[in-house]
Amino acid sequence: DTAVSQTPKYLVTQMGNDKSIKCEQNLGHDTMYWYKQDSKKFLKIMFSYNNKELIINETVPNRFSPKSPDKAHLNLHINSLELGDSAVYFCASSQFTRGAGVQYFGAGTRLSVL
Amino acid sequence: LAKTTQPISMDSYEGQEVNITCSHNNIATNDYITWYQQFPSQGPRFIIQGYKTKVTNEVASLFIPADRKSSTLSLPRVSLSDTAVYYCLVGGNRDDKIIFGKGTRLHILP
Repeated sequence: DTAVSQTPKYLVTQMGNDKSIKCEQNLGHDTMYWYKQDSKKFLKIMFSYNNKELIINETVPNRFSPKSPDKAHLNLHINSLELGDSAVYFCASSQFTRGAGVQYFGAGTRLSVL
Repeated sequence: LAKTTQPISMDSYEGQEVNITCSHNNIATNDYITWYQQFPSQGPRFIIQGYKTKVTNEVASLFIPADRKSSTLSLPRVSLSDTAVYYCLVGGNRDDKIIFGKGTRLHILP
């Protein structure tokens, strides 16, 4: 069983569309994260949820909206996609919040906006 | 805010021991040091975590001096499959940001 799974693995779409990426973890962790890794490979945290509550919300356009229906799921919805949104998006989970929590990452979703 | 500095890239040969050092001069008392490995087209993978002195697991060792202002990830007898980007992350259970830094691109040569 994959510990942290994301779907889809690849997402190709047109500018202006709305898309969602789903994430599920079966580790029983309380905290989940979304990261964006751009073409220069910088890994930047976007959001963090602890037990369905938003903990970290970095400077991310409000076109990005995370949703956590339960502590095992953290989905990312993106409205009005722009070219600059093209990147790899990683979901992760950890037992503890903040930097001391060992994080387990999904395989990533490669988003290409045309 | 615990910022980290690592070499951008390193080359080594199969069978060698590789040491990657991370500087974190403003590490806080409650901060832990965690290292991750990332292969192309994969998510980062946890390698090792420590607070002080030395930690060893089946994959690597982590050396942390007494002042904790730096740490060294040691990979024994590397192979081609250890070619990856290695990230040093410093943080604790405080209201701080999680910053991965730019990582060190390790290239193992035959």
